[in-house]
Amino acid sequence: DTGVSQDPRHKITKRGQNVTFRCDPISEHNRLYWYRQTLGQGPEFLTYFQNEAQLEKSRLLSDRFSAERPKGSFSTLEIQRTEQGDSAMYLCASSIQSGLGSYNEQFFGPGTRLTVL
Amino acid sequence: AQSVTQPDIHITVSEGASLELRCNYSYGATPYLFWYVQSPGQGLQLLLKYFSGDTLVQGIKGFEAEFKRSQSSFNLRKPSVHWSDAAEYFCAVGGGNNDMRFGAGTRLTVKP
Repeated sequence: DTGVSQDPRHKITKRGQNVTFRCDPISEHNRLYWYRQTLGQGPEFLTYFQNEAQLEKSRLLSDRFSAERPKGSFSTLEIQRTEQGDSAMYLCASSIQSGLGSYNEQFFGPGTRLTVL
Repeated sequence: AQSVTQPDIHITVSEGASLELRCNYSYGATPYLFWYVQSPGQGLQLLLKYFSGDTLVQGIKGFEAEFKRSQSSFNLRKPSVHWSDAAEYFCAVGGGNNDMRFGAGTRLTVKP
């Protein structure tokens, strides 16, 4: 396993179109996170999954955004009716949650850069 | 809620010179603290982390950071910078749900 992978690496779309991104975590990792990073800023937390359950969603995640992890492995992030303000790098990360109260390193993928024209 | 401040947006140092990048955090309990590096167009790579114990932590690529609870700081240091260290550096604090809050980043330029 070579780490977290994301597809596509780049996506250019027109305003109003729907887009979907995929993240494949490290195979034994049960937690998966999505972040958004705009130019000149640090990543902002969007949502995370433990196995197939979506446990937390940020207020940044508007109704146009939906994320799934149907089998507890790969995850998809869909943005409907894209807006120019959605242009950003979307980062995925994964980790192992090894016990209650433990904290484990998140490993990041290379990101998907979205440009909305 | 946790938050992170990186006061320096951009720092320029000469190759071979020492480096210190500042990070201040706000968190109600003992924080989990991280430094990540990001090269252009790339994801984030973990340099080092602090969970507990010794307040001076060593990381990869010759970096170290010191946790100072009294100052709510977790500054990153390197004694001698290499040209390949030019990148964006992010400090982050971890919360109870393993989500992280990142600072806005410090861009490091290395002069030859």
